[in-house]
Amino acid sequence: DTEVTQTPKHLVMGMTNKKSLKCEQHMGHRAMYWYKQKAKKPPELMFVYSYEKLSINESVPSRFSPECPNSSLLNLHLHALQPEDSALYLCASSIRRLAGDHNEQFFGPGTRLTVL
Amino acid sequence: KQEVTQIPAALSVPEGENLVLNCSFTDSAIYNLQWFRQDPGKGLTSLLLIQSSQREQTSGRLNASLDKSSGRSTLYIAASQPGDSATYLCAVKAQSNFGNEKLTFGTGTRLTIIP
Repeated sequence: DTEVTQTPKHLVMGMTNKKSLKCEQHMGHRAMYWYKQKAKKPPELMFVYSYEKLSINESVPSRFSPECPNSSLLNLHLHALQPEDSALYLCASSIRRLAGDHNEQFFGPGTRLTVL
Repeated sequence: KQEVTQIPAALSVPEGENLVLNCSFTDSAIYNLQWFRQDPGKGLTSLLLIQSSQREQTSGRLNASLDKSSGRSTLYIAASQPGDSATYLCAVKAQSNFGNEKLTFGTGTRLTIIP
């Protein structure tokens, strides 16, 4: 298995809803990432997990809550989002993330989120 | 703060032509540079990764070069095909202001190959 999968592909939610995005990889990668991409803009890093521990939080609002239950899974829990949070949410993984290790990142297909 | 720019923002060329996409970055202290393609509404597909110690990488009809000292990379596509139509993004991996490592993406070049 050489891919990153994301579910759901599309999600529409109200501002009071609670939902979760899921990302999975079975490549043995120990670093996983969440990115947010607005229309016609480049992806922006949100969170990085290294060996199932949160290592980077790019000042993301607390209405986004990441979780890494095991080395293959990465979740993004959503609560009380705003319409401006509508975007494509991309998950990525790489072999590992240690000092001096600079490996290729592989991306999933993304979840298109619309907040009403 | 690292800034990555891609010129042109959009490019249309007839099928069969060779073409070059450009990427420039402001801080040359990078670990690597990665080229991606993105189809509309889809995720990113990794094309080539160049480590900071390397000058170029090749994969099929694609060749990417890196001149770290001048802050530039190019992606050369030979014998272009309609299936090459997509947005091409470059991304540099470097130390962030907070001491972590992160990928910073360029603004992208939207490529259209005309049959």
